[in-house]
Amino acid sequence: EVVLTQSPGTLSLSPGERATLSCRASQSVSSTYLAWYQQTPGQAPRLLIYGASSRATGIPDRFSGSGSGTDFTLTISRLEPEDFAVYYCQQYGSSPLFTFGPGTKVDIK
Amino acid sequence: QLQLQESGPGLVKPSETLSLTCTVSGGSISSNNYYWGWIRQPPGKGLEWIGSIYYSGSTYYIPSLKSRVTISVDTSKNQFSLKLSSVTAADTAVYYCARQSILYWCFDYWGQGALVTVSS
Repeated sequence: EVVLTQSPGTLSLSPGERATLSCRASQSVSSTYLAWYQQTPGQAPRLLIYGASSRATGIPDRFSGSGSGTDFTLTISRLEPEDFAVYYCQQYGSSPLFTFGPGTKVDIK
Repeated sequence: QLQLQESGPGLVKPSETLSLTCTVSGGSISSNNYYWGWIRQPPGKGLEWIGSIYYSGSTYYIPSLKSRVTISVDTSKNQFSLKLSSVTAADTAVYYCARQSILYWCFDYWGQGALVTVSS
């Protein structure tokens, strides 16, 4: 089973700052099958990044993804007020087929 | 614009069966390029994939729930459904339906979610 670990658990930053979120897998994950989601309170998750580095439709270019193997990163270059949310990484691989990380909360400092 | 909408009872008694339906609009559930999945989120917790189905009826389930889960599809109604039997309080969660890209195996469109509470 592939276990995803996200760090930090909470990231306290100010608008305009850069956010760097980490997702580590317990075993190698194909970059093709690593995605990132954003979830604001009371809302469904929204796909941000797929294939480790491709932005989903309508996602601003301040969001970027990178990484390979067991280490992946989501970067938000300049935080906007609407970016304060919880972010999840997700992989497809061995059983269970689809797993999510525990999430990183980005809150306002 | 593709839209997904969950529907079903918001309250289920312990030991009974949870049933939810996802209605897809703005697109066909019979597309070759997508699976259709269910994900749940207990209050204040993270996301857990439950299972997915192709329009042909092919399914995948998370092993920990496999003995209790059935996902089915009705292409004539553009709907797919979730049944979870023998529920307990641990099954209380917001249940989301979502579309899955086969190319990247990510969930690209989500329903708004349905809170299901298991309580007597």
